[in-house]
Amino acid sequence: ETGVTQSPTHLIKTRGQQVTLRCSSQSGHNTVSWYQQALGQGPQFIFQYYREEENGRGNFPPRFSGLQFPNYSSELNVNALELDDSALYLCASSLYGAGQGTEAFFGQGTRLTVV
Amino acid sequence: GDSVTQMEGPVTLSEEAFLTINCTYTATGYPSLFWYVQYPGEGLQLLLKATKADDKGSNKGFEATYRKETTSFHLEKGSVQVSDSAVYFCALSDRGGTASKLTFGTGTRLQVTL
Repeated sequence: ETGVTQSPTHLIKTRGQQVTLRCSSQSGHNTVSWYQQALGQGPQFIFQYYREEENGRGNFPPRFSGLQFPNYSSELNVNALELDDSALYLCASSLYGAGQGTEAFFGQGTRLTVV
Repeated sequence: GDSVTQMEGPVTLSEEAFLTINCTYTATGYPSLFWYVQYPGEGLQLLLKATKADDKGSNKGFEATYRKETTSFHLEKGSVQVSDSAVYFCALSDRGGTASKLTFGTGTRLQVTL
């Protein structure tokens, strides 16, 4: 059973650029969520994907977008990067419909620095 | 909306001391409650969970009880070790939501010294 893997682990981008982060979900999981964790803060929910469609979104602007592929892997895209986008981006996978309290498994995250 | 409030850190304890990290929540309905731990440079790992009132979650010597009357889920450990040094996050998932749509607190850093 493979865990949740994210790539790249670190990334430096310039303000105004675009970035794509990738996540491979745990084997058997069909739902992927993305979180933004600013330094010293708790993770903030960005959005969730299930069956290749967005299934809930947090308080993030439209320049944050995503995709889920048939193999349940996912991408997070951020356009027009701002300095405040600098954070650790976490991906979590779970099995939709497995019942309340089912564990979500997190990847190790991508550290994005916008300069 | 849903929210989680944790005691602010850092919490510094000597090895073998008793640990309490307070967590209270606000949610509509009956959420599931979780404690996650984040070691330096790593992602989040589930430490324990509880899905209904009066449930006690436990793992690795840590415990937390779902208290609906006080909307709390305080984390406790009787004797901490240096290896427990990490950041601890309290979180909830709404009963209508899915497992990976979580609301987190701001985290509490625990530092355990010899």
